[in-house]
Amino acid sequence: DTAVSQTPKYLVTQMGNDKSIKCEQNLGHDTMYWYKQDSKKFLKIMFSYNNKELIINETVPNRFSPKSPDKAHLNLHINSLELGDSAVYFCASSPDEGTGNTIYFGEGSWLTVV
Amino acid sequence: GENVEQHPSTLSVQEGDSAVIKCTYSDSASNYFPWYKQELGKRPQLIIDIRSNVGEKKDQRIAVTLNKTAKHFSLHITETQPEDSAVYFCAASSTNAGKSTFGDGTTLTVKP
Repeated sequence: DTAVSQTPKYLVTQMGNDKSIKCEQNLGHDTMYWYKQDSKKFLKIMFSYNNKELIINETVPNRFSPKSPDKAHLNLHINSLELGDSAVYFCASSPDEGTGNTIYFGEGSWLTVV
Repeated sequence: GENVEQHPSTLSVQEGDSAVIKCTYSDSASNYFPWYKQELGKRPQLIIDIRSNVGEKKDQRIAVTLNKTAKHFSLHITETQPEDSAVYFCAASSTNAGKSTFGDGTTLTVKP
């Protein structure tokens, strides 16, 4: 009954590899996000999608490619992984992209690039 | 765009004391101000929020105040307990921005 679920929870991979993180929400929300949390705990938005359409792309390297097959899913694919990509990636959703909406986070995916 | 500054970055208090975390924002169009708590190894979760038409809101030991003129809002935790130890994030959002902007977080440690 998890509201926002993402897999895998832990991912250890070598530099240069390509990896994907999947996310699904069962809250019926129109908007989904990817956030990156680095070692200093800063939460930075990467992307937001509203009803499968890209709304926000916060100057993220184009090695990161989000894909939203439907409004309940937002996957993140990362090409040519670098050491600096090591972080916790949170998928999230909210009712819409407008103001006044609580953001519901998934449990996070711990990515370690070695 | 919106800029949210949060202070302090770390805060240590004795159990039973009060804790106050402050945030300032830059976009006068922001009208929704949530606070999220992130326990170690867990996801951020909403603990309280306030909208621009309200000056203060309380929920048991937690309260949030908003000063729209000064563009700042604060989280107040009274009678702190060890389980209040976590990272707290403030955020501000507006229809113009279409997103929430988070502060850099405050690591609160409550010493038993």
